[in-house]
Amino acid sequence: AQSVAQPEDQVNVAEGNPLTVKCTYSVSGNPYLFWYVQYPNRGLQFLLKYITGDNLVKGSYGFEAEFNKSQTSFHLKKPSALVSDSALYFCAVRAAPGGRRALTFGSGTRLQVQP
Amino acid sequence: EAGVAQSPRYKIIEKRQSVAFWCNPISGHATLYWYQQILGQGPKLLIQFQNNGVVDDSQLPKDRFSAERLKGVDSTLKIQPAKLEDSAVYLCASELSGANVLTFGAGSRLTVL
Repeated sequence: AQSVAQPEDQVNVAEGNPLTVKCTYSVSGNPYLFWYVQYPNRGLQFLLKYITGDNLVKGSYGFEAEFNKSQTSFHLKKPSALVSDSALYFCAVRAAPGGRRALTFGSGTRLQVQP
Repeated sequence: EAGVAQSPRYKIIEKRQSVAFWCNPISGHATLYWYQQILGQGPKLLIQFQNNGVVDDSQLPKDRFSAERLKGVDSTLKIQPAKLEDSAVYLCASELSGANVLTFGAGSRLTVL
């Protein structure tokens, strides 16, 4: 079985400050890890993924995430938050190789960036 | 490229009625998924297709939910009869083989009264 935990329902940060959205996972074997963002009344949009290689992956809109195998974590980060980053963020996992297994999503973290 | 199309965007029905949702994936994407997203929760997989074959339907409530992808392209998800707890957004996603990126449609929001 595979699972994802997002321990924070909401993260509040001031514009211009760095942000971190936490994610831990459980999967048999090597993980493929993902972050998706959801804006109101919109579907999920892909932000970034870790498949293999460098533990720090960079994605859309200045976001990055760090894979930590020993801590089974894949936290989402951004050096300087924008008000427009306010949205719902989902972490997801699938077991490698990724072709046949669907993604399992966490419960989501609402990011609120204050001006 | 065109995205994943879903319809209808919104549907309100009474409990015990039936409803169907349609999804047209991105051209060339062999894998299609239906997820259920209840308010305040993350998306939960209902069914995964590879072309027109079912890969995983272990979490599909088969007594009331059914899905098909007859020609390996469009897909339909049906609920009959609906229950109050089926109120959710039904998300369709497609994936190009080996790409490891799911592209989601805007979703179909179902309200069961």
